[in-house]
Amino acid sequence: VLTQSPVTLSLSPGERATLSCRAGHSVDKYLAWYHHKPGQAPRLLIYNTSTRATAIPARFSGSGSGTDFTLTISGLEPEDFGVYYCQQRSNWPPTFGQGTKLEIK
Amino acid sequence: QVQLQQWGAGLWRPSETLSLTCGVSGGTLSNYSWSWLRQPPGKGLEWIGEITQTGSTNYNPSLKSRVTVSVETSNQFSLKVTSVTAADTAVYYCARDLKLWLRTPSRYFDSWGQGTLVTVSS
Repeated sequence: VLTQSPVTLSLSPGERATLSCRAGHSVDKYLAWYHHKPGQAPRLLIYNTSTRATAIPARFSGSGSGTDFTLTISGLEPEDFGVYYCQQRSNWPPTFGQGTKLEIK
Repeated sequence: QVQLQQWGAGLWRPSETLSLTCGVSGGTLSNYSWSWLRQPPGKGLEWIGEITQTGSTNYNPSLKSRVTVSVETSNQFSLKVTSVTAADTAVYYCARDLKLWLRTPSRYFDSWGQGTLVTVSS
């Protein structure tokens, strides 16, 4: 089970966002983050804890290992708001967290 | 750049077999693994199953007995879910596996279809 916190995060453009994902069992480094906006497909941001996917800006960074992981967005842009999901591929089957909604304050 | 376009009926009756297809443009299915995922209303994402680059299939144990993922053509793959109930109501997505290793799926998803809202109701 992946537990994300907070459930909702209200911030203003330009601020720093810190999102957490906790796993019930170790997932080693095998954790990803996705950004999902209503009516759109989810977008892969980070995989293997800290590797940015193709064309993902440097303001997105990931850290952690084992059971505790963090996604940090430095300097929020208007397009960054939406829901963020973590996903593990270490244990079977692949699973997602319930999401953190990042909303404009 | 690869694009995934999915299609299929949006309304299914209980006990029917749900069927969706995903077409890949800008590439073929070769050398990648392909998955189906879904998101029930108000809930998180759930991985359903995959067909790997070697043609093998793997499924979520929660759905395994009812799900089939198969290749239709060189650039189309499909999902079938038998005996659907209201609990299968969700937005369904097809997705491509991020290529990290030669033969093992990464089970991270770097390209997604637009999503299909599937409702199961009598």
